[in-house]
Amino acid sequence: DAKTTQPTSMDCAEGRAANLPCNHSTISGNEYVYWYRQIHSQGPQYIIHGLKNNETNEMASLIITEDRKSSTLILPHATLRDTAVYYCIVRVDQTGANNLFFGTGTRLTVIP
Amino acid sequence: NAGVTQTPKFQVLKTGQSMTLQCAQDMNHEYMSWYRQDPGMGLRLIHYSVGAGITDQGEVPNGYNVSRSTTEDFPLRLLSAAPSQTSVYFCASSYSAVREETQYFGPGTRLLVL
Repeated sequence: DAKTTQPTSMDCAEGRAANLPCNHSTISGNEYVYWYRQIHSQGPQYIIHGLKNNETNEMASLIITEDRKSSTLILPHATLRDTAVYYCIVRVDQTGANNLFFGTGTRLTVIP
Repeated sequence: NAGVTQTPKFQVLKTGQSMTLQCAQDMNHEYMSWYRQDPGMGLRLIHYSVGAGITDQGEVPNGYNVSRSTTEDFPLRLLSAAPSQTSVYFCASSYSAVREETQYFGPGTRLLVL
């Protein structure tokens, strides 16, 4: 099963870009990389996902390395409301069902 | 749409008591699941359902039962509560059960077992 490794915590100044790294060196060729975040014990919120190409949406950008062994989530202009735990998830479920397996994530603190 | 709703928001139980955590979604989603989150940890999958009448076990199913009689509802039953089941419980759903579908999470139920 593919596993992910993320830093435990990071700080980012308000208004600056937040770059959250994730290592997934054992990822399989057909496994997607997902990012969710959890704000202060609320239910997790979907951010973005990708397979091999870089992706961008209204919330963030996802940069996946060419060998797919790591990725970076970019919040282009971090605000205080982006303070949360960010989870990088690689699909590991072999049943084919849409199950997510969370690690402990990165606690991002946006500093005024 | 109300999205994914969970009731109750908080619950205190005594060891050995039973209860049902309710989860409902009004988005006509096929896939629903239950997770638990212990302090300082990520979410762990308890049970999931890929459609009405179909359920399966996740990573930590012991002590929990589920059923899926309708598309909208996916209740989680604790048969005999134990202190180890003190946790925050999240329900999630997605449009289909296939991979790559975005999941939507409810606000959670905070359970304390004494």
